[in-house]
Amino acid sequence: AQSVTQLDSQVPVFEEAPVELRCNYSSSVSVYLFWYVQYPNQGLQLLLKYLSGSTLVKGINGFEAEFNKSQTSFHLRKPSVHISDTAEYFCAVDSGGSNYKLTFGKGTLLTVNP
Amino acid sequence: EAQVTQNPRYLITVTGKKLTVTCSQNMNHEYMSWYRQDPGLGLRQIYYSMNVEVTDKGDVPEGYKVSRKEKRNFPLILESPSPNQTSLYFCASSENRVRRNQPQHFGDGTRLSIL
Repeated sequence: AQSVTQLDSQVPVFEEAPVELRCNYSSSVSVYLFWYVQYPNQGLQLLLKYLSGSTLVKGINGFEAEFNKSQTSFHLRKPSVHISDTAEYFCAVDSGGSNYKLTFGKGTLLTVNP
Repeated sequence: EAQVTQNPRYLITVTGKKLTVTCSQNMNHEYMSWYRQDPGLGLRQIYYSMNVEVTDKGDVPEGYKVSRKEKRNFPLILESPSPNQTSLYFCASSENRVRRNQPQHFGDGTRLSIL
């Protein structure tokens, strides 16, 4: 069975500071990995995805994530955050099994303060 | 504009009164899914559909029904709602789940309160 652990439920940072949101997964097979962002009162939007190839993946709004197979991690980073990045971020994994299931982590609330 | 549309966005109702939350997508996607989002639990899948007339249970299907008579629509039915179904619900779709690199597109959510 696949599972996703987002290590921090809340991450407060100051504007223009760097940020890392941590995600670890468990799966017995190869995975596809995703980060989604949810702004207040909205649905989820795809930030970036890892399917194969380069382990460093770039997404929208200046975010990037690095896939580390040995540590089963897919941490999300941004070198300088803005107030507008305040949102909840979800890591998700699809292990490609026959149940066609996308498993989400519990989310990390990023709060950017002025 | 490509989108997933859910209705209603907000609903307050009482225990036992049947309700339906509609979901429609205009992207000709084969795969559709329903999730519920609860604080501290993230998103949990309720039901999914690989294509017309093909549906299957997710992680938390109890108390819910779905149907997929047309490709674009995937309604979620609560036959006898109970307070523990108070939650934020999301519908999502993707082009084809067999090709797993297709990300899911989400609706804006439906906030249900069951009194």
